[in-house]
Amino acid sequence: DAKTTQPTSMDCAEGRAANLPCNHSTISGNEYVYWYRQIHSQGPQYIIHGLKNNETNEMASLIITEDRKSSTLILPHATLRDTAVYYCIVRVEGDMRFGAGTRLTVKP
Amino acid sequence: DAGITQSPRHKVTETGTPVTLRCHQTENHRYMYWYRQDPGHGLRLIHYSYGVKDTDKGEVSDGYSVSRSKTEDFLLTLESATSSQTSVYFCAISTYLTRDKNQPQHFGDGTRLSIL
Repeated sequence: DAKTTQPTSMDCAEGRAANLPCNHSTISGNEYVYWYRQIHSQGPQYIIHGLKNNETNEMASLIITEDRKSSTLILPHATLRDTAVYYCIVRVEGDMRFGAGTRLTVKP
Repeated sequence: DAGITQSPRHKVTETGTPVTLRCHQTENHRYMYWYRQDPGHGLRLIHYSYGVKDTDKGEVSDGYSVSRSKTEDFLLTLESATSSQTSVYFCAISTYLTRDKNQPQHFGDGTRLSIL
């Protein structure tokens, strides 16, 4: 029972913004949206999380729709080192349930 | 990087032998977690700890035990390893704030375990 739906793969040109979508139509009112990424053979890396307001940090921006049924992770200026699998997770507390994620390939 | 060290980073062992994986943190975080990652299954929670000597089971706890005698160390033990436990094991930590429970988890770099 996947709580989130993400595209399997995406490409992005180096230096351009990468916009990664996530659908979470069954999200409940107290569930947060988290984004992680995993670069081959490394542990998942936390990127950002939010409840209903848009969030920004040094890595990325998170845009959550007003109805909270979907969100978009934005990497403003993608580099080759941003090539990874990106995971969108909804959670109140407890363990992180990682799905298959989106494989983002940044191309020169 | 969160101060998490997993050891060993790689291990090959035989079926039936005991194996212990160690997770060490320098962040003084209350919560610690053990996950395994397998193709087609994503990350699955094995056990977690919410304090010294306080642990609980996760989704795939059968065949595994854990111990936490100090805040900084969380050990995962396979009492009698089986080939189905060949996997990549990740430790994670998180803090806990009364006002905001939704603190993210931060992961170590994993232990690649092969059981022949």
